[in-house]
Amino acid sequence: SQELEQSPQSLIVQEGKNLTINCTSSKTLYGLYWYKQKYGEGLIFLMMLQKGGEEKSHEKITAKLDEKKQQSSLHITASQPSHAGIYLCGADMSGAQKLVFGQGTRLTINP
Amino acid sequence: GAVVSQHPSWVICKSGTSVKIECRSLDFQATTMFWYRQFPKQSLMLMATSNEGSKATYEQGVEKDKFLINHASLTLSTLTVTSAHPEDSSFYICSARDPGTNQETQYFGPGTRLLVL
Repeated sequence: SQELEQSPQSLIVQEGKNLTINCTSSKTLYGLYWYKQKYGEGLIFLMMLQKGGEEKSHEKITAKLDEKKQQSSLHITASQPSHAGIYLCGADMSGAQKLVFGQGTRLTINP
Repeated sequence: GAVVSQHPSWVICKSGTSVKIECRSLDFQATTMFWYRQFPKQSLMLMATSNEGSKATYEQGVEKDKFLINHASLTLSTLTVTSAHPEDSSFYICSARDPGTNQETQYFGPGTRLLVL
């Protein structure tokens, strides 16, 4: 959706390196969700952000939502092969939790 | 986290037949469920919002008579693809809101892959 831009579309990273995925909205968000998907499978919930300036971490993954609530980043520290997959950001633009998704970022981790 | 299941995980059918896909919340009650569709190498697109005890609300461009949604209980929503055609072949994923969590996290099922011959 042009309302939500996710970048980069693909990312190849050496194991152990850090990486960042960005998600930018044209509208102020009620909530921003990060999911991980393996090709042809369902989505694994990672994190949800609601407040401007909010930051959450789980293991080696950190997600932030900017103060304006229009941009979010997902940062992975010391990447591992298990981090490989497709990362999707989903935005709640209406408050009804109907999510608009970005195009996804395909992450490959090289050993 | 909360678990959402879907059945079947994959289905192959002949053109013109109808296919029913079930979405269940296994350990929480969901007054609202969502149905998404994902074409190969594309992102998810919301089709409709399934509301327990009332009619579903459909997104623009989604035919309600084509994609019948029934949310008969707090743990089950069904999507029926009526008179399926090859262009309906896709990956259908449901999600459910867990109102019990502080932030109403939305959990997704494993998806159903539909192939219409």
